[in-house]
Amino acid sequence: GAGVSQSPRYKVAKRGQDVALRCDPISGHVSLFWYQQALGQGPEFLTYFQNEAQLDKSGLPSDRFFAERPEGSVSTLKIQRTQQEDSAVYLCASSLAGLSYGNNEQFFGPGTRLTVL
Amino acid sequence: AQRVTQPEKLLSVFKGAPVELKCNYSYSGSPELFWYVQYSRQRLQLLLRHISRESIKGFTADLNKGETSFHLKKPFAQEEDSAMYYCALRGYTGANSKLTFGKGITLSVRP
Repeated sequence: GAGVSQSPRYKVAKRGQDVALRCDPISGHVSLFWYQQALGQGPEFLTYFQNEAQLDKSGLPSDRFFAERPEGSVSTLKIQRTQQEDSAVYLCASSLAGLSYGNNEQFFGPGTRLTVL
Repeated sequence: AQRVTQPEKLLSVFKGAPVELKCNYSYSGSPELFWYVQYSRQRLQLLLRHISRESIKGFTADLNKGETSFHLKKPFAQEEDSAMYYCALRGYTGANSKLTFGKGITLSVRP
């Protein structure tokens, strides 16, 4: 079956532009995560959804970052007034489990590489 | 706070040599530890998790709570093992099962 998909795969934005990054999780997966991976670094947590509820947004670096998952499936990460330091790969992951710690493997998408000029 | 440290950025070995990728963690409770791998042009994928206590593709990792380490080992490296490896931790923080990653290490296995 299909894994996690993300679009676009590459995005170039001029500083100050708004961007929207899309994540399609595996069908039926309750949990959805966004991570930011800067060059040479490991992924860093941004935000977490359980179904449509955003339960943790402690990793969002500023109020320019906004994420939503209105119907509990597709999620969008929006970055307003992009800055050069926003350049990174944005990874989406989904897992079957919600609060349970049982079957909770996170499956990652291919990422969106954002370059802000 | 939870933290994962991978002290080396690159490990280069010859085919057939043993491999040990180091990972140390900081967490006040009992975390879950994972190794993720990213092959060239592929997405990040789970290699193994400490609670499974299994060997995947010849790799093993033992959680040492005394040394707060979770080093990844393979006795005989293969060329197809060349990839980026990330150690990750998940703490039991209730509703959120987010992962905290190390910076990763590039493993290069030469023929």
